[in-house]
Amino acid sequence: QQQVKQSPQSLIVQKGGISIINCAYENTAFDYFPWYQQFPGKGPALLIAIRPDVSEKKEGRFTISFNKSAKQFSLHIMDSQPGDSATYFCAASRADKIIFGKGTRLHILP
Amino acid sequence: DAGVIQSPRHEVTEMGQEVTLRCKPISGHDYLFWYRQTMMRGLELLIYFNNNVPIDDSGMPEDRFSAKMPNASFSTLKIQPSEPRDSAVYFCASSFTGRGMNTEAFFGQGTRLTVV
Repeated sequence: QQQVKQSPQSLIVQKGGISIINCAYENTAFDYFPWYQQFPGKGPALLIAIRPDVSEKKEGRFTISFNKSAKQFSLHIMDSQPGDSATYFCAASRADKIIFGKGTRLHILP
Repeated sequence: DAGVIQSPRHEVTEMGQEVTLRCKPISGHDYLFWYRQTMMRGLELLIYFNNNVPIDDSGMPEDRFSAKMPNASFSTLKIQPSEPRDSAVYFCASSFTGRGMNTEAFFGQGTRLTVV
């Protein structure tokens, strides 16, 4: 499968800190880059997404930074809160299939 | 709409038995995906359908796995015979592709399969 590489596998951040998760993709045909958030016992749910014609998208405390030339994108969570503790998946998609990274388990210390 | 509905939520079966997982996508969605989630491999795409037609099954691990979508509101993933290494959480997701561009995929709650 076309790969999406995600790092780190796990991350511990103090409350109020910035959480940063990075992803890299291979296929330049991808045209949609979503981030999904998954809580235990639940399915992943869309958090925020970006298309490659912009370099940054911000929604509240969540920001995606996108570097098309480097084929990399990252999720920044500002003022991280204990309720943000979850598993985060980056993904890359074209008009059909969606390929996910392996996930990052984020734990925010109270 | 109630979202993507998967059944059963939990399945425990003995090695060698046939297992059938079921999914009802969101009405009006034209894509349906089956994923398998494990700690080691994350979310793996097994197969996906567009308008009930299988498009790419390259992620199906072996011939023991098969999937069908007989109509727009129902899909099944079957494992026959099941093996302990098939133990995982299986997710179904659906999405609507507007103007040829993919949008949000909505996931079901998943089926936790344990093969003993």
